[in-house]
Amino acid sequence: AQSVAQPEDQVNVAEGNPLTVKCTYSVSGNPYLFWYVQYPNRGLQFLLKYITGDNLVKGSYGFEAEFNKSQTSFHLKKPSALVSDSALYFCAVRDALYGGATNKLIFGTGTLLAVQP
Amino acid sequence: NAGVTQTPKFQVLKTGQSMTLQCAQDMNHEYMSWYRQDPGMGLRLIHYSVGAGITDQGEVPNGYNVSRSTTEDFPLRLLSAAPSQTSVYFCASSYTGTRSGEQYFGPGTRLTVT
Repeated sequence: AQSVAQPEDQVNVAEGNPLTVKCTYSVSGNPYLFWYVQYPNRGLQFLLKYITGDNLVKGSYGFEAEFNKSQTSFHLKKPSALVSDSALYFCAVRDALYGGATNKLIFGTGTLLAVQP
Repeated sequence: NAGVTQTPKFQVLKTGQSMTLQCAQDMNHEYMSWYRQDPGMGLRLIHYSVGAGITDQGEVPNGYNVSRSTTEDFPLRLLSAAPSQTSVYFCASSYTGTRSGEQYFGPGTRLTVT
């Protein structure tokens, strides 16, 4: 079965320190992977995606993610955290069964990032 | 450019009542979908559509109906509300096929069923 796992419910980091939010996936075929961010009482906002190409993907607000095929991981990273980065982060993979015909996404359960000043 | 809009923002229903959550997008996206978000469970797909006149069930479709008469609109109907349907509901849209990629989300509807 296709799935996405975010093993940490919460990640705490001090402002200015690097941050990592973990994501692993299980999908047949080549994965299409996404990261979204949700600020309180808001909808989800797209951060970045991996489809093909470089394993290091750069996205919005200084975030990047590293695709590792052998470890089936797609961890979100940022070199220097800001208090304003505090939010709920979701990893998602496109349902490989239907390919691009539907664009169905399978979401992880989310990781709450808390950046302390 | 409005993107994806949802109405209402908040709604309180009594058990057994019915209602329709509205969703509209102005990006000419083929794909539209409804998710519910519950604490600790991420987003779960309720129903989706790949174009006008075409809908299909997602992971948690029971108690919900959808229709897609136009490209722009994708309403979600609760037939007989139950407390288990208390949740935050998000509508999303995107292209499909070779143009598919990120989904665009609406601001959400917070529904409470008493």
